[in-house]
Amino acid sequence: AQSVTQPDIHITVSEGASLELRCNYSYGATPYLFWYVQSPGQGLQLLLKYFSGDTLVQGIKGFEAEFKRSQSSFNLRKPSVHWSDAAEYFCAVGDHDYKLSFGAGTTVTVRA
Amino acid sequence: DTAVSQTPKYLVTQMGNDKSIKCEQNLGHDTMYWYKQDSKKFLKIMFSYNNKELIINETVPNRFSPKSPDKAHLNLHINSLELGDSAVYFCASTLASGEQFFGPGTRLTVL
Repeated sequence: AQSVTQPDIHITVSEGASLELRCNYSYGATPYLFWYVQSPGQGLQLLLKYFSGDTLVQGIKGFEAEFKRSQSSFNLRKPSVHWSDAAEYFCAVGDHDYKLSFGAGTTVTVRA
Repeated sequence: DTAVSQTPKYLVTQMGNDKSIKCEQNLGHDTMYWYKQDSKKFLKIMFSYNNKELIINETVPNRFSPKSPDKAHLNLHINSLELGDSAVYFCASTLASGEQFFGPGTRLTVL
């Protein structure tokens, strides 16, 4: 069965600083990988996804993620965070029936 | 033009009651899902329907019964509500690409 681990429960970052959120997955075959963001009181919005091809994936809002098969990781990065990036971030792995398993999420706080 | 909509947004009810949550998508997707997000924000899939047929049922108590009258709608009916059912319930839909589009959620509070 697939699973996702997000080791960081909470990250605080200064506005303008870089951000990296870690994600490790467990899946027997080539995974489908996703990062979603959830702002307070809102639904989930897709930031980016990896299915195959280039292992560096660009997403919306200036985010990127890198798939590393050898490390079973799909870490999310942003070079310079904005106060509006404060939210909950979820990494997810999907199987070939499009069943998603989510990590526990990382809360990002942005300080001025 | 909401892509995935849910009603109601908030639902407060007493233990033992029966309630329904409705979900509609106007994206033309074939597959729809229900997720439960608990108080620790952990998201877990409950059900998935493809073209009105149940394809995923994740060991959810049988007090929960999804119904899909057509491929644009997936409703969730919950019988005999319990305190532990309090959560945010999200509907989602997807095309074959696997990217899931989520609704805004329904916050259910059982008193």
